[in-house]
Formats: sequence, structure tokens, C-alpha cells
Amino acid sequence: QQQVKQSPQSLIVQKGGISIINCAYENTAFDYFPWYQQFPGKGPALLIAIRPDVSEKKEGRFTISFNKSAKQFSLHIMDSQPGDSATYFCAASESDYGQNFVFGPGTRLSVLP
Amino acid sequence: NAGVTQTPKFQVLKTGQSMTLQCAQDMNHNSMYWYRQDPGMGLRLIYYSASEGTTDKGEVPNGYNVSRLNKREFSLRLESAAPSQTSVYFCASSEVFTNQETQYFGPGTRLLVL
Repeated sequence: QQQVKQSPQSLIVQKGGISIINCAYENTAFDYFPWYQQFPGKGPALLIAIRPDVSEKKEGRFTISFNKSAKQFSLHIMDSQPGDSATYFCAASESDYGQNFVFGPGTRLSVLP
Repeated sequence: NAGVTQTPKFQVLKTGQSMTLQCAQDMNHNSMYWYRQDPGMGLRLIYYSASEGTTDKGEVPNGYNVSRLNKREFSLRLESAAPSQTSVYFCASSEVFTNQETQYFGPGTRLLVL
């Protein structure tokens, strides 16, 4: 099974700061990279996703940066808020395998007030 | 719309017991999935049903069986529970099976096998 590596395992950020979570993959056939947000006791929810034909995608305070040559992608949360405190998962998949996503192990983000 | 619902929310089993986790979605989605989530390992796909009438193995199918009862319902069965199956189980659905479709997750079932 192809892996997706994710770092850091946990992250503490002050309110208003920038949270950065990084992921790396090996399978060059991956062509879709979503990020999921999960609050305690809840199921994951899609936050933002990117395809490798763009280097960056922004939605509000959330930005994905994608580096195809390095096989890395990252999530940036600008102006982090206590309500952003959650676990974040990156994932990757190939079109030929449909929804067979490979998930990273997750990053637990705590934003201090 | 309730979205994706799962029952039960929490279950304790003894080794060797069997149980069925229930999942239903009211979004008229074609595809449904079962995942397990373990600390430090993210989500791993157990089984999926790309469309009504079909089921396929995911990454970690051993010890599980599934039934796509109809378009709305997808159940996961543990025939003889083992402590290694202690986990949080999530059901999800998507409109179709292509990888750019959003998956919607249920709230999860926490299973403890003693």
C-alpha cells in the first residue's frame, strides 16, 4: 500500500498565527489530494482539495500548496482560531482507483486563545 | 437531511462475539465505504461499495464482511471479534466513485473488544 507521510504529529499555535501541516507521497500516479478536518467525537469532513495541475489553492483562511517535483503538499491555516483546533488528515488517490484514498496519520492542531 | 447515520455509537464485545454495524445515508449516493481509524494510523478502508449490488475489499478487509442491503444501507459485520478490531469505525458515502467526489462521513462507532 502506498503511504502518505504527514508531519507534525501535533501542533500548537497561538491565536492569529499560521498553522502549517506537511504531507509527502511516493506514488506519482496520485492525482487528487484532499484535506480533511475532524473534531473530537465527529467524523472527518472535507476541508479543501487540490489537483496536481495547480500549485496552490486557497479557500478563505485555508490554502493548499503543492510541489509536484518534490511530491509534497501542505496545508496552511492563516489567522488560526481556537475553533480550528481539530485533527487534520491529508489524503491522496489515483483516478483509476476511484475513492481508494490513502490517508496520512493525522495532525492534532491546538490553537491557544 | 440526516446525512450519514451509524448505529450503535458505542459497543463493547467479548472476544469471539459477533456484531453488525449499521450505516444509512439519505443523500441518494451511489457509493458507500467502511473505514477504521486507529491512533497514529489515519483512516484505513475496510470495504467499499461503488454502486448498489457491488462490494469490494479495501486495504484491511480480514475479519470483516459487508452487505449493501439497498442503495441507502451498508452494513459491516464482525463474525468473531478480536481485540485487534478495537477501533473507531466510520461509514461514508459519495455520489459516485470517482476520486474527486466528496465523501461524507458518519459520526462513527466506537468498538471495544475485550
